[in-house]
Amino acid sequence: QQQVKQSPQSLIVQKGGIPIINCAYENTAFDYFPWYQQFPGKGPALLIAIRPDVSEKKEGRFTISFNKSAKQFSLHIMDSQPGDSATYFCAATVIYGGATNKLIFGTGTLLAVQP
Amino acid sequence: GAGVSQSPSNKVTEKGKDVELRCDPISGHTALYWYRQSLGQGLEFLIYFQGNSAPDKSGLPSDRFSAERTGGSVSTLTIQRTQQEDSAVYLCASSPGGSGGLGEQFFGPGTRLTVL
Repeated sequence: QQQVKQSPQSLIVQKGGIPIINCAYENTAFDYFPWYQQFPGKGPALLIAIRPDVSEKKEGRFTISFNKSAKQFSLHIMDSQPGDSATYFCAATVIYGGATNKLIFGTGTLLAVQP
Repeated sequence: GAGVSQSPSNKVTEKGKDVELRCDPISGHTALYWYRQSLGQGLEFLIYFQGNSAPDKSGLPSDRFSAERTGGSVSTLTIQRTQQEDSAVYLCASSPGGSGGLGEQFFGPGTRLTVL
């Protein structure tokens, strides 16, 4: 019940395309869903996050769509660029009422944006 | 400093040796986390500190792993009698607050541990 399932494992798109990465969870207590971007040799960097009281959040070219009833959320990258090539991780945690806020991560998606 | 720093960036050790990994969190962040990233297991939570206490050690894989935090700041993760399966990148993250906070965790660059 603590798992977060992420798909696809890898994704190749052309520059300007809109890659979509999907995540699903079981634990209905989760109330904070961040996405992290990781470049080789670096630590994960917080990209965007959403709470379950909204269905969509946009920050620049990055959009999270959230479906509470389906227990699914996804990351869309608009007008993707070669510099977006990285590994993306979704995660989930319990903020309110949670003891530790430890992040449960998906397995990651390796994105390649071809020029 | 501006971000979370970790040292060393790389550590190569022989099986059976002890290692210490260090994390300097963002100044003022009271919550500190250790995670492990390996090819087979992805990103796994190890331990959580709020101040100097560790209310959640549930992710530590064995009693060879321990961690401490002093002065509400620097944390050290110690692995005793290292095994080859301990090879991984050890990541530290800090957050402004514990339970009830925004939950934003900021990661350091990690320490890549290789056990020969």
